[in-house]
Amino acid sequence: QQQVKQSPQSLIVQKGGISIINCAYENTAFDYFPWYQQFPGKGPALLIAIRPDVSEKKEGRFTISFNKSAKQFSLHIMDSQPGDSATYFCAASMRRRGSNTGKLIFGQGTTLQVKP
Amino acid sequence: SAVISQKPSRDICQRGTSLTIQCQVDSQVTMMFWYRQQPGQSLTLIATANQGSEATYESGFVIDKFPISRPNLTFSTLTVSNMSPEDSSIYLCSVEDQGHGANVLTFGAGSRLTVL
Repeated sequence: QQQVKQSPQSLIVQKGGISIINCAYENTAFDYFPWYQQFPGKGPALLIAIRPDVSEKKEGRFTISFNKSAKQFSLHIMDSQPGDSATYFCAASMRRRGSNTGKLIFGQGTTLQVKP
Repeated sequence: SAVISQKPSRDICQRGTSLTIQCQVDSQVTMMFWYRQQPGQSLTLIATANQGSEATYESGFVIDKFPISRPNLTFSTLTVSNMSPEDSSIYLCSVEDQGHGANVLTFGAGSRLTVL
């Protein structure tokens, strides 16, 4: 119940296309859903995040779509660029009792390659 | 965001030896987290290190194998003890970025260990 399942494992998209990565979770207590981007040789960096009180969040070319009833959320990268080639991780967390923080559970990761 | 420096960035180790990874943060933080990223896999939390108290280990990780020190609010070490090839991974230090709110993690670049 603590798992976050991510798909696809790898994705190849042409420049200018839309990249879509999907994640699903079981634990309805999760209340925070971030996406992290990791370039080779670097640590993951927060890309965009959403809380379950909204169904969509957009920041530039990056959009999170959230479906609470289906317990699914996805990352859409519009107008994908070669510089977007990286590994993307979805994650989920719930606040610990008496705390404002919680452990992040990461998905398995998606390696995105955007071809010029 | 906090800036995290990890040393070593990479190392090749012999089976049965131990290696200590250092994590330095440019600001004082309450909690520091150690993650493991096995080849082609997701990030798994090893333990949470609080200054002045024993580290809290996640299921499947024990102090004898991964002793952690947290001598002050800007520094922590993780030791990988009695290494075997299965310990070959990237080990990542992270902190919560208080400037962005709870659950936003900033990661170091990681320490890539190869055990022969």
